[in-house]
Amino acid sequence: QKEVEQNSGPLSVPEGAIASLNCTYSDRGSQSFFWYRQYSGKSPELIMSIYSNGDKEDGRFTAQLNKASQYVSLLIRDSQPSDSATYLCAVAGGTSYGKLTFGQGTILTVHP
Amino acid sequence: DTAVSQTPKYLVTQMGNDKSIKCEQNLGHDTMYWYKQDSKKFLKIMFSYNNKELIINETVPNRFSPKSPDKAHLNLHINSLELGDSAVYFCASSQTTGPYGYTFGSGTRLTVV
Repeated sequence: QKEVEQNSGPLSVPEGAIASLNCTYSDRGSQSFFWYRQYSGKSPELIMSIYSNGDKEDGRFTAQLNKASQYVSLLIRDSQPSDSATYLCAVAGGTSYGKLTFGQGTILTVHP
Repeated sequence: DTAVSQTPKYLVTQMGNDKSIKCEQNLGHDTMYWYKQDSKKFLKIMFSYNNKELIINETVPNRFSPKSPDKAHLNLHINSLELGDSAVYFCASSQTTGPYGYTFGSGTRLTVV
């Protein structure tokens, strides 16, 4: 079983729609959860972090965490073509303390 | 500019050669990392240093040797390069080894021919 799993996609949504990205993790002791955005040929860029159950909103982005279900999600409202990228879920803490473990990433395409 | 900077950005070399990648951060972070991203975009940690001390050493061939002369610098030396070493190598830094997200460098695309 992979430590952090994401649907690799591609996920295609129309401009203005809500994009929903999902991630599950296997280490129940994980404590910190992150979403990175990576444009083609560029480095990963941190867009959201979440540490406790519930929702966290930042602009058009909402991260959701459910530790009981070992599930993290990222919602992107009013999706724009500039949101087209690979979104990486990353998890830290638990037995992997001191390092971020990444999922394989979900490719998101927002079409006009 | 405050950043994590890596050099070189591109590296093309022949099998069997030895090469180095350098990384520097001016963010005041005390922990630095090397990650390898394969052709399927999967990012996997290789090494982590905290204040010049090696704290994470994943299952990486001995041909890879990191060096941290101070907490702002982390270099990666690779001996006897193999075709399978072709990947993008990212340096990253964070404030502590705790729960904070990383800041990544721009990456070094290594191609072994």
